[in-house]
Amino acid sequence: DAGVTQSPTHLIKTRGQQVTLRCSPISGHKSVSWYQQVLGQGPQFIFQYYEKEERGRGNFPDRFSARQFPNYSSELNVNALLLGDSALYLCASSPPGLAGGRETQYFGPGTRLLVL
Amino acid sequence: SQKIEQNSEALNIQEGKTATLTCNYTNYSPAYLQWYRQDPGRGPVFLLLIRENEKEKRKERLKVTFDTTLKQSLFHITASQPADSATYLCALDRGGGFKTIFGAGTRLFVKA
Repeated sequence: DAGVTQSPTHLIKTRGQQVTLRCSPISGHKSVSWYQQVLGQGPQFIFQYYEKEERGRGNFPDRFSARQFPNYSSELNVNALLLGDSALYLCASSPPGLAGGRETQYFGPGTRLLVL
Repeated sequence: SQKIEQNSEALNIQEGKTATLTCNYTNYSPAYLQWYRQDPGRGPVFLLLIRENEKEKRKERLKVTFDTTLKQSLFHITASQPADSATYLCALDRGGGFKTIFGAGTRLFVKA
């Protein structure tokens, strides 16, 4: 069975640009969460979507937005990129469980974003 | 706000010994706590989950304990192998609309 897939794997952008990252969850998983991981740190929670609705939001500015599609895939958008947005962006999907929680999260390989 | 502390220094142990990693948190007790393994350049891999009303969980060579009084979880790898070398992340979650909080991780090196 395919795991969580993310695209693209690598991306280079310049300050002020906009970027869209994509995630396909494991088949049957309805919950998708997005994380930002800076080198040497643990992942930081950005969003969770369950059944196409936002279920949780981390401490990120409004430049970050996301959505989930009817097939449960998801996109993360970041506008007006800053140098500090350079990081590994991880997507995780969770199997159906109690209230669409994040008890077991399966992570994708991530998208490495470099902002110049 | 909730903070998680994991050993910032790398842990170096000899093959066959037991590795013990620590996760301390400062504020509320989470609904559950997770441990993940992360290899360089890859996404974290889920290992174990322990709930607030559980004291201990085991899976093969892995054992996790959870002490809500001490606000601490310990993660043990018995009979460690060089293939266990990786960064291990601790994560807390209150469930619902609250966010999952990860620690910075502890790097484990197992020498043959």
